[in-house]
Amino acid sequence: QKEVEQDPGPLSVPEGAIVSLNCTYSNSAFQYFMWYRQYSRKGPELLMYTYSSGNKEDGRFTAQVDKSSKYISLFIRDSQPSDSATYLCAMSVGSNYKLTFGKGTLLTVNP
Amino acid sequence: DTAVSQTPKYLVTQMGNDKSIKCEQNLGHDTMYWYKQDSKKFLKIMFSYNNKELIINETVPNRFSPKSPDKAHLNLHINSLELGDSAVYFCASSQGLQGGYGYTFGSGTRLTVV
Repeated sequence: QKEVEQDPGPLSVPEGAIVSLNCTYSNSAFQYFMWYRQYSRKGPELLMYTYSSGNKEDGRFTAQVDKSSKYISLFIRDSQPSDSATYLCAMSVGSNYKLTFGKGTLLTVNP
Repeated sequence: DTAVSQTPKYLVTQMGNDKSIKCEQNLGHDTMYWYKQDSKKFLKIMFSYNNKELIINETVPNRFSPKSPDKAHLNLHINSLELGDSAVYFCASSQGLQGGYGYTFGSGTRLTVV
């Protein structure tokens, strides 16, 4: 079983839709959870990071962590065509520097 | 003013050649990384340096040799290139000893071995 599982999609939604992106993980030592957005032919950029279980909101984005279920989510409200990108979840144990990434979900928001 | 810059952006070379990729960050971070992203977009760590000291060395063929002359620079030299080395190589940096702060990535070097 891979340490981090993420549905690669692709996911296609109309503009204005609520998008839900998810990852599951198997390593209970993971403490830090991140979401990165990667536009085509660009490097990943950090979107959200969380430390504990619960929700964290930033504008149209909400990151949710459920450590008991080993499940993290990213919600995008009022999705825009500019949100079209690959979204990668990432996590780390915290005591080292290594991030373990999911495979990424390709999202297309259609105008 | 680019935070993490990599050169070159594109590299096409023949099998068996030796090539280098350079990375520089101007964020004052003390930790730098090389990640490889394969054709299926999967990002996997290769190396990490903290204050010029190698701290992560994943299972990478020893044809790959990183070098950090100072904490703002991390280069990657690849000997005897193989077809399977074709990928996008990302440099990244972070501050602090904990991965939880996230990385700042460069825009990548797209390596094609023919």
